[in-house]
Amino acid sequence: DAKTTQPNSMESNEEEPVHLPCNHSTISGTDYIHWYRQLPSQGPEYVIHGLTSNVNNRMASLAIAEDRKSSTLILHRATLRDAAVYYCILREGMKTSYDKVIFGPGTSLSVIP
Amino acid sequence: SQTIHQWPATLVQPVGSPLSLECTVEGTSNPNLYWYRQAAGRGLQLLFYSVGIGQISSEVPQNLSASRPQDRQFILSSKKLLLSDSGFYLCAWRPRGVAQPQHFGDGTRLSIL
Repeated sequence: DAKTTQPNSMESNEEEPVHLPCNHSTISGTDYIHWYRQLPSQGPEYVIHGLTSNVNNRMASLAIAEDRKSSTLILHRATLRDAAVYYCILREGMKTSYDKVIFGPGTSLSVIP
Repeated sequence: SQTIHQWPATLVQPVGSPLSLECTVEGTSNPNLYWYRQAAGRGLQLLFYSVGIGQISSEVPQNLSASRPQDRQFILSSKKLLLSDSGFYLCAWRPRGVAQPQHFGDGTRLSIL
């Protein structure tokens, strides 16, 4: 399974944009890039996903490099509620039933008031 | 809308006692189901996943087992708990379909004494 690498931790000031990077140099052509976040003592929450084009939703934006070997999750204005662990994972697009999703340690985001 | 229920929220058990954690999903049919474990400050470790009733795939050999007696019910069990079984247990589901995101329950925090 293709793997991802993320920084262990990042800090951001409140109300400033945050760019969370993820490297996935062994990504295959059918792998989707998914982002989740996990607040303390809660289960992970789906944030966004994409394949090739940049994606926007109410929570965040996902910028995907042209060669797809990296991506960036963008929080446009960080709030204290965005302090969480952010996971970047790959999911095979061709396998609609069987799938083994690997969650790495993620990036722990701290938001400074 | 779809919802996932996981209980209990917290559980304290003595070493050697049995375990049964239950997870149910509402509002969907034929979902993929997953059990994860998360040690304190660590990423998620996939324990079991299921693509249908009675179909269980184990990712990590251990003294835990899983069963799927009904389409939307997933049970994690153990006959004899070990100290190392302590952790945060998460159930998740996802719909069939290309690159569909996972949705997680609120988790069960299990402490073994």
